[in-house]
Amino acid sequence: ETGVTQTPRHLVMGMTNKKSLKCEQHLGHNAMYWYKQSAKKPLELMFVYSLEERVENNSVPSRFSPECPNSSHLFLHLHTLQPEDSALYLCASSPELAGKYNEQFFGPGTRLTVL
Amino acid sequence: AQKVTQAQTEISVVEKEDVTLDCVYETRDTTYYLFWYKQPPSGELVFLIRRNSFDEQNEISGRYSWNFQKSTSSFNFTITASQVVDSAVYFCALSEGDKLSFGAGTTVTVRA
Repeated sequence: ETGVTQTPRHLVMGMTNKKSLKCEQHLGHNAMYWYKQSAKKPLELMFVYSLEERVENNSVPSRFSPECPNSSHLFLHLHTLQPEDSALYLCASSPELAGKYNEQFFGPGTRLTVL
Repeated sequence: AQKVTQAQTEISVVEKEDVTLDCVYETRDTTYYLFWYKQPPSGELVFLIRRNSFDEQNEISGRYSWNFQKSTSSFNFTITASQVVDSAVYFCALSEGDKLSFGAGTTVTVRA
């Protein structure tokens, strides 16, 4: 596997379910990100991890819980979600924290539907 | 305040037409970076180009070209002789420090 992979690609869950999204990067990068992309809205940055430490949490509801066990893996644990949480969730990585000259590499996303 | 503005929500063209996507940004930093990404229907954002604030040279890569105008804070993207495979959502992004801000995206539809 190369680049950034995400599983599952599609997920349908009820509001009382608990599920997890997984992201894995094979690029040797040190920073990883979760974004939410809703229809007709800009990309929303949710969480940023650098060297496995969370460096940014953009006022995301506690029903979303990230986990970064090592620099190659990033999880997003979901529980008691709402229908408005239905969106495409994108994971990205970059060599260091995005800024200067380091572009982010994106995974294909998980299309989440909350019933 | 929105840092990156892509005023065009949707553009529809016929194959072989040229299409220009506008991007206007706002920053107080003197050092910053600008990016364009393409998001095809498959969903994955694909990096197209990076430009730093000190390099105002226009760039051409195949059918793609970029026009960076620091004086007007714009970084426009032109697809020449568009093809159906160019249909996608295109995002402009601004990097300041350790933050990357995306525009809302422009959906380009190229009809055969």
